[in-house]
Amino acid sequence: DGGITQSPKYLFRKEGQNVTLSCEQNLNHDAMYWYRQDPGQGLRLIYYSQIVNDFQKGDIAEGYSVSREKKESFPLTVTSAQKNPTAFYLCASSIWQELNYGYTFGSGTRLTVV
Amino acid sequence: GESVGLHLPTLSVQEGDNSIINCAYSNSASDYFIWYKQESGKGPQFIIDIRSNMDKRQGQRVTVLLNKTVKHLSLQIAATQPGDSAVYFCAENNNQGGSEKLVFGKGTKLTVNP
Repeated sequence: DGGITQSPKYLFRKEGQNVTLSCEQNLNHDAMYWYRQDPGQGLRLIYYSQIVNDFQKGDIAEGYSVSREKKESFPLTVTSAQKNPTAFYLCASSIWQELNYGYTFGSGTRLTVV
Repeated sequence: GESVGLHLPTLSVQEGDNSIINCAYSNSASDYFIWYKQESGKGPQFIIDIRSNMDKRQGQRVTVLLNKTVKHLSLQIAATQPGDSAVYFCAENNNQGGSEKLVFGKGTKLTVNP
């Protein structure tokens, strides 16, 4: 079955550490996105990528980095520069510029700073 | 900032009643809208969509209404069931700068009481 997979489901980070969240899709979608979700808030866009080897900052990119070396993969690194990283992180994919049925989302990674 | 919002953060209904969840949007140029359902600890799932050339669209137990005059979107769930308990949020296709991306509202938490 085609889908989008995020791992791990739960992740704990110590102060000053970088951590990388994985996102893989086999939907042959061009575009991939990373969102952050905090309690009582909507989805805030961190980064998105329309095509391999290209990505754009979203609304809250500071303290995060991404790469898009393969169409299927869009990992997100939460760096030590992100001062409040505890949140639920969602990855999504879509056919770029064709938003029928919107985005397909992964099941999320919950990151906690310990 | 976000251009999509919701009137109520929480909604509590009795099992079997109809539920209405509302959404206001501010970008009159948006031409595509989606409702998502997000269960606790999971990623959002597509429920139903509507394009701006329509006023109403029906799915299985769900109906979306679009009022472009007042920039209002609603999701109606018929005969609400306990399995409908989740956070619901709307998204609009915010085609700003020629780059189509979805903008998400904050969400309404629906609780269905037995």
